[in-house]
Amino acid sequence: KAGVTQTPRYLIKTRGQQVTLSCSPISGHRSVSWYQQTPGQGLQFLFEYFSETQRNKGNFPGRFSGRQFSNSRSEMNVSTLELGDSALYLCASSLLVAGAQETQYFGPGTRLLVL
Amino acid sequence: LAKTTQPISMDSYEGQEVNITCSHNNIATNDYITWYQQFPSQGPRFIIQGYKTKVTNEVASLFIPADRKSSTLSLPRVSLSDTAVYYCLVVGSGSARQLTFGSGTQLTVLP
Repeated sequence: KAGVTQTPRYLIKTRGQQVTLSCSPISGHRSVSWYQQTPGQGLQFLFEYFSETQRNKGNFPGRFSGRQFSNSRSEMNVSTLELGDSALYLCASSLLVAGAQETQYFGPGTRLLVL
Repeated sequence: LAKTTQPISMDSYEGQEVNITCSHNNIATNDYITWYQQFPSQGPRFIIQGYKTKVTNEVASLFIPADRKSSTLSLPRVSLSDTAVYYCLVVGSGSARQLTFGSGTQLTVLP
């Protein structure tokens, strides 16, 4: 079974621009979570989507948004980029079955550099 | 929100057993613990997961005491390729859950 895929793998943008990152979950997985990883802040939870609905949200400004499509693929968007948005953005997918322990499987990440 | 605390770094020698502890003092009743391994510029890789007592798989063991306020990842007979950052993740449940990673422990295995 193919793993979680993320595109693009690397991206360079300038301040003020916006960016859209894409995540394709493992086949059959309906939950997709996004994380930001920086050397200073570590792995921080951005948001989680399940069945096209945002289920949870971390403590990030409104410039960070996401969505999920009917095939469970997800995108996240960052508007008005700031230098501090430079990070590795990770996507994770899981089955999320009620009452069962869930395992999140991570993609390779998208490395975003904001100049 | 379950905050987690891990040692920043640990050193070990090849062939030794390594134990990495994660503190999660305000873990909720339905939360469980997952450990991940991460190499530079890669996504975290699942190692093991548990709710209480002891869980073992082919690569690691996870010990969770009765009060569940901490957990210990045990790696038997580490090799150089086990040099990585190890994260514990407390996974909540329910619609308002948060997914809280620890700060990560850099494990360096020396020859």
